[in-house]
Amino acid sequence: EAQVTQNPRYLITVTGKKLTVTCSQNMNHEYMSWYRQDPGLGLRQIYYSMNVEVTDKGDVPEGYKVSRKEKRNFPLILESPSPNQTSLYFCASSTAGTENSPLHFGNGTRLTVT
Amino acid sequence: AQSVTQLGSHVSVSEGALVLLRCNYSSSVPPYLFWYVQYPNQGLQLLLKYTSAATLVKGINGFEAEFKKSETSFHLTKPSAHMSDAAEYFCAVSISNFGNEKLTFGTGTRL
Repeated sequence: EAQVTQNPRYLITVTGKKLTVTCSQNMNHEYMSWYRQDPGLGLRQIYYSMNVEVTDKGDVPEGYKVSRKEKRNFPLILESPSPNQTSLYFCASSTAGTENSPLHFGNGTRLTVT
Repeated sequence: AQSVTQLGSHVSVSEGALVLLRCNYSSSVPPYLFWYVQYPNQGLQLLLKYTSAATLVKGINGFEAEFKKSETSFHLTKPSAHMSDAAEYFCAVSISNFGNEKLTFGTGTRL
């Protein structure tokens, strides 16, 4: 089954404790992206990757890191989480190019930073 | 830069009634426009997309949207609402010569 898998689904942590949210897709997609969803703000892009070893900042990259060492994986790293990073996070993937192929989303990771 | 505005964070309709969710866009170049739906505890999935082939676009689950350049609008409609349509709906815009890396989402409308 074609899917984007995020782990964990729920995460509660404390300020400053490094964490990683994993994202994996099995569709051989070149493009992967991370979004955060906050009430009243919709989805905002954090980072995206056009292919292996190619990453770029989205609209709200501060406080986040990513890496793309393999095509299928695109982990989101919070080196020193803060309470304003409490949010619902989504990973998404698609084929790359200009035809705007549909984004496939994971089921989300709800992060709480206390 | 492109942007979308969704009017109404919450819309309530009776089962069987017309669904109308509003989206207005801003783009300096021809846009690609999308509607995504998010069911509870799930990620978003594509309902339909406009890429300049036809102004009236039909999507899944009986939804459709009409691109109106003069009004810079891309409203989502469905003739008869069903209980299973209860979800959050997001309009999104992209610059036509880029892919998903330039996709900008609206703030969402909960139906």
